[in-house]
Amino acid sequence: AQTVTQSQPEMSVQEAETVTLSCTYDTSESNYYLFWYKQPPSRQMILVIRQEAYKQQNATENRFSVNFQKAAKSFSLKISDSQLGDTAMYFCAFMNRDRGSTLGRLYFGRGTQLTVWP
Amino acid sequence: DTEVTQTPKHLVMGMTNKKSLKCEQHMGHRAMYWYKQKAKKPPELMFVYSYEKLSINESVPSRFSPECPNSSLLNLHLHALQPEDSALYLCASLQGRWRGQVKTGELFFGEGSRLTVL
Repeated sequence: AQTVTQSQPEMSVQEAETVTLSCTYDTSESNYYLFWYKQPPSRQMILVIRQEAYKQQNATENRFSVNFQKAAKSFSLKISDSQLGDTAMYFCAFMNRDRGSTLGRLYFGRGTQLTVWP
Repeated sequence: DTEVTQTPKHLVMGMTNKKSLKCEQHMGHRAMYWYKQKAKKPPELMFVYSYEKLSINESVPSRFSPECPNSSLLNLHLHALQPEDSALYLCASLQGRWRGQVKTGELFFGEGSRLTVL
């Protein structure tokens, strides 16, 4: 079974600073995707960044980047130059890429509530 | 059009009522999902439809009845619900081929329907 663990229920950071959210996962699959989703109080789940397991290069999207350590099964999210609009619940998630019973299913961590303060 | 549209945004119903939630997407995605989300918790998978056929039912009580009339539309029919069923119900669709292999893994989420059962 796939499990995703986020060990930080809450974090806070001052505007313009950098913050890192942690995520570890457990799987026997070799071909998969990892995601960070953001859910602000407006409640829509928004994809922040995606990593394909077979790619060694860490994904980046503007101020968001990941540190993907496949052997350690670790997938942390770094937010640079934090903005007030980054305040949200952040979910780490896993999806199996290959054929199988878990195909297309998204497994979520419990989430980290990030607060950016002025 | 890169949207998943859910209606209604808010729904209040009694335990004897029958109501439906609706989800629509016009991105040509062939896998669609219903998730249930309680406050400050990750989404929990309820149902998955692939090519208009029910592929996954996560042992959801029969008072929730999904329906996929066509590839763009997903309904969730509600009957004889309990107060503990009050939650945010999220619909999502999956980009990329779903049979055989997930090509991109990106789920597009709607804004959700906030359900309150009295």
